[in-house]
Amino acid sequence: SQQGEEDPQALSIQEGENATMNCSYKTSINNLQWYRQNSGRGLVHLILIRSNEREKHSGRLRVTLDTSKKSSSLLITASRAADTASYFCATDPSKGFSGGYNKLIFGAGTRLAVHP
Amino acid sequence: DAGVTQSPTHLIKTRGQQVTLRCSPKSGHDTVSWYQQALGQGPQFIFQYYEEEERQRGNFPDRFSGHQFPNYSSELNVNALLLGDSALYLCASSPPIFYGYTFGSGTRLTVV
Repeated sequence: SQQGEEDPQALSIQEGENATMNCSYKTSINNLQWYRQNSGRGLVHLILIRSNEREKHSGRLRVTLDTSKKSSSLLITASRAADTASYFCATDPSKGFSGGYNKLIFGAGTRLAVHP
Repeated sequence: DAGVTQSPTHLIKTRGQQVTLRCSPKSGHDTVSWYQQALGQGPQFIFQYYEEEERQRGNFPDRFSGHQFPNYSSELNVNALLLGDSALYLCASSPPIFYGYTFGSGTRLTVV
């Protein structure tokens, strides 16, 4: 079963605009991660945010986490055509320091299209 | 530094056959996980191997089995293939201190 639910399912924007994707989940988590997938190939890890963190930045990416609402958002600023991909949130429900016990539960993803 | 390597890239099998998929983890990574991704869906966790043992398993039947070798590489075996097993199979490795998975490009399995 999938715990994460991304919203929207699809997003179409122009280059230079910002893209915001949301993720909701059901159970308590150790951390939440965002991945990108191009054309149905391998996933690329973007960012990991732990349950005791509220916001994290990496380049043009900004991730927030609200554990009280069991939700997260991924913001891509100044989007480029190369950002066109599917974006997945994945939750790690393991408790405490899991040291590798990191079974991830993925949502169905948001398909982002950035038009030149 | 090579990332995660999976072979083969594509595979076509007939219902009832058996298949073996292979994965070499990224250098320095000791944990290997396998995921199944159906078209238009997110990846589903199959199982995870650490120190040559299956440590966790998702909701997949016993037809799905695996192995991890002393060099940390791994195999995924699927017996008695069904049409519904058609999917992209992804291998992911992670280091001793977890900060995210490194995924391979996957094996596209088509069962006819």
